[in-house]
Amino acid sequence: DSGVTQTPKHLITATGQRVTLRCSPRSGDLSVYWYQQSLDQGLQFLIQYYNGEERAKGNILERFSAQQFPDLHSELNLSSLELGDSALYFCASSEKKTGSYGYTFGSGTRLTVV
Amino acid sequence: GQNIDQPTEMTATEGAIVQINCTYQTSGFNGLFWYQQHAGEAPTFLSYNVLDGLEEKGRFSSFLSRSKGYSYLLLKELQMKDSASYLCAVRPLNSGNTPLVFGKGTRLSVIA
Repeated sequence: DSGVTQTPKHLITATGQRVTLRCSPRSGDLSVYWYQQSLDQGLQFLIQYYNGEERAKGNILERFSAQQFPDLHSELNLSSLELGDSALYFCASSEKKTGSYGYTFGSGTRLTVV
Repeated sequence: GQNIDQPTEMTATEGAIVQINCTYQTSGFNGLFWYQQHAGEAPTFLSYNVLDGLEEKGRFSSFLSRSKGYSYLLLKELQMKDSASYLCAVRPLNSGNTPLVFGKGTRLSVIA
């Protein structure tokens, strides 16, 4: 157990639907990052939150949104889903200043859009 | 822009040594990471380099040359369990909190 908790582990839904992925960071970590990993693609950065505020945005579609709550857990909302959104979605957390350990990843949510 | 290149696939024999290369072009540099990822699982941290040179950690070593934008991961005494994808990632800006940029990963197959 890495200390980063993601739910659900698997999600199957139809095109056009909306889903919410949840992430609880490791205790003490203030930063949360969301990444998407498709087949044959590397980890693509979506969005970062730090202590409740959006800190950086990557290749995140307008149909996707996220937030970080006061208890530091984060949710990634995916709407108007398309077949191409099928992927592994990872959440990662990190400490504020200690950069040498990079991230701790959650076990991911596998989203299948049918 | 940010660009990280690494070979797509490699095969090596159990007990042997394998070197996985990574080249990068990023705006600013504040560290290079290697992660291991077994199929369908989360990436796990292997190593971190921010200064030039070799960092050794058991069977795994990682090297960095900032002037060449180059790193490699060296795996010694290969075991079957080392079959996995190895991801090279760079922190591009001079901040400890900047999102990492990942390469597409190198899928390593260890054969008997």
